[in-house]
Amino acid sequence: DAGITQSPRHKVTETGTPVTLRCHQTENHRYMYWYRQDPGHGLRLIHYSYGVKDTDKGEVSDGYSVSRSKTEDFLLTLESATSSQTSVYFCAIQGQENYGYTFGSGTRLTVV
Amino acid sequence: AQTVTQSQPEMSVQEAETVTLSCTYDTSESDYYLFWYKQPPSRQMILVIRQEAYKQQNATENRFSVNFQKAAKSFSLKISDSQLGDAAMYFCAYRSGEYGNKLVFGAGTILRVKS
Repeated sequence: DAGITQSPRHKVTETGTPVTLRCHQTENHRYMYWYRQDPGHGLRLIHYSYGVKDTDKGEVSDGYSVSRSKTEDFLLTLESATSSQTSVYFCAIQGQENYGYTFGSGTRLTVV
Repeated sequence: AQTVTQSQPEMSVQEAETVTLSCTYDTSESDYYLFWYKQPPSRQMILVIRQEAYKQQNATENRFSVNFQKAAKSFSLKISDSQLGDAAMYFCAYRSGEYGNKLVFGAGTILRVKS
């Protein structure tokens, strides 16, 4: 979507290395989210943010941390990547109140 | 906690025919929103249709419509005049009414369209 970008689009990394995924929005929205998508599970919430330096855990937060030092950027860090973190990661922003989210184009992460 | 269940892992439909994708959810809240998202092979998440729980009228967007049964906690998606471009993964999602609340997703249904 035009208002939200994720980087990188693809990444292969080795087990045990730290990895940071970036989400950038130009919409000035307060709420931002990180999800992971796995077959049979749909999308599951990892962490979310409700403002600069205000973040909270989702249902699958173990092994992940986030930071939001500016409204427009929301970073997801895998502190020490494991094979179970191989997944597609989506960032999303909450737009107008009665609408759903707007999603980034996703990052496919492979941990070998 | 709210849960969303999509009981059909895969569905097939003939081009120009109609197909219905099922979704049920569990909640004790009265104020919430329901959504259907489409994910084509490009991986992009595209909002197809949304329904506010307080509205009795079923939402419609062109060839897409929903059957919202609040008492039964059911929210099915009907696609009329199916097209090859409708082939995708479809996710049902729930969000409680308060702004900023998270979306809870079902596991998804893969829709195949046969020509």
